[in-house]
Amino acid sequence: GENVEQHPSTLSVQEGDSAVIKCTYSDSASNYFPWYKQELGKRPQLIIDIRSNVGEKKDQRIAVTLNKTAKHFSLHITETQPEDSAVYFCAASGGTGNQFYFGTGTSLTVIP
Amino acid sequence: KAGVTQTPRYLIKTRGQQVTLSCSPISGHRSVSWYQQTPGQGLQFLFEYFSETQRNKGNFPGRFSGRQFSNSRSEMNVSTLELGDSALYLCASRAYSNQPQHFGDGTRLSIL
Repeated sequence: GENVEQHPSTLSVQEGDSAVIKCTYSDSASNYFPWYKQELGKRPQLIIDIRSNVGEKKDQRIAVTLNKTAKHFSLHITETQPEDSAVYFCAASGGTGNQFYFGTGTSLTVIP
Repeated sequence: KAGVTQTPRYLIKTRGQQVTLSCSPISGHRSVSWYQQTPGQGLQFLFEYFSETQRNKGNFPGRFSGRQFSNSRSEMNVSTLELGDSALYLCASRAYSNQPQHFGDGTRLSIL
């Protein structure tokens, strides 16, 4: 099956700096890559997603890039704010069984 | 459109008992997945149901089982509860493959 690895596991940045979280996947058939944000005590919420026919997607301060050849995708958050502090999960889907495979999560702390 | 609804929100059980959790997906969504989340841990996949059939299964013991009804509502059952089963159980629904999953608020299960 698919294997999704996510790095780093924890990340601290100063407010206003950028944050980058990286994920790799193993199944070349995976073709859908969402990112979720989970604030403390809340449900994971979709923040951005990308499909394999697109190399980059941007939504205000958030962007995701995908490199199909290298099988990795990344989340970029610019001009970070304290409310960006949360756990972020990447996921891959569309391969064997069409199951969602989640990364292990990155705990992002934005220091005011 | 109403979101994913999970009931109950909180449960306290003792070792050896069994428990049933319920999940009502977003209207029109036919896929329901279940995840276990323990403090500081990621999203551990339990199983996915699509049109009343189990489509994918994670690496959990047979004490964990589920089912899906014709209206797409799903239940998860855990028998012979153990202390280690204390966790947040999240349900997520999606309309089709390669569509985002949408999570419910979860059921927090505590085993005494």
